[in-house]
Amino acid sequence: SQQGEEDPQALSIQEGENATMNCSYKTSINNLQWYRQNSGRGLVHLILIRSNEREKHSGRLRVTLDTSKKSSSLLITASRAADTASYFCATDAGSDYKLSFGAGTTVTVRA
Amino acid sequence: DTEVTQTPKHLVMGMTNKKSLKCEQHMGHRAMYWYKQKAKKPPELMFVYSYEKLSINESVPSRFSPECPNSSLLNLHLHALQPEDSALYLCASSQQPGAEKLFFGSGTQLSVL
Repeated sequence: SQQGEEDPQALSIQEGENATMNCSYKTSINNLQWYRQNSGRGLVHLILIRSNEREKHSGRLRVTLDTSKKSSSLLITASRAADTASYFCATDAGSDYKLSFGAGTTVTVRA
Repeated sequence: DTEVTQTPKHLVMGMTNKKSLKCEQHMGHRAMYWYKQKAKKPPELMFVYSYEKLSINESVPSRFSPECPNSSLLNLHLHALQPEDSALYLCASSQQPGAEKLFFGSGTQLSVL
């Protein structure tokens, strides 16, 4: 079942701008992950943040996690046309092997 | 080799056909997954195999039958599908059961006529 909700549903930005998307979830988690999906392709794992972490960086990506608000954000800095994709948050409640995906944010980066 | 390979990439089948989707990984991962994704929707978990044993079946109709012949291979056998089963079927694997950092294949785009 889908646990995460993401906003916005869609985002259009100019190349070089930053893109921020948010994810909210409902139950306690062990970790939260972000994935990218190019149109009609498989998902690519971007970053994982554990429930005891508040912020994590990977290249141009910055992820925050607020467990008190059950929310996370993904920031992509200095966006490029190649960042055009759908981005999904995914939560792992930890008691089984289920990864539940949010509805996704579609990001379009205009040249 | 950090790839999950899925075949075929596209499949068109009639409602009376029997077909199989194949998935292969050579990363030594011990958990493998099948997801179904409809257009503009998130992936939905169907099955999880842990150490080659079926550990999760998300109440998937019996017209979908998974099989894990060995630690590198995962099949999804399809029989008597309905048009509403048309979707992108994604295979994924992870190093250990626990759903951390899934590696996804490119998927099989299935159309049921």
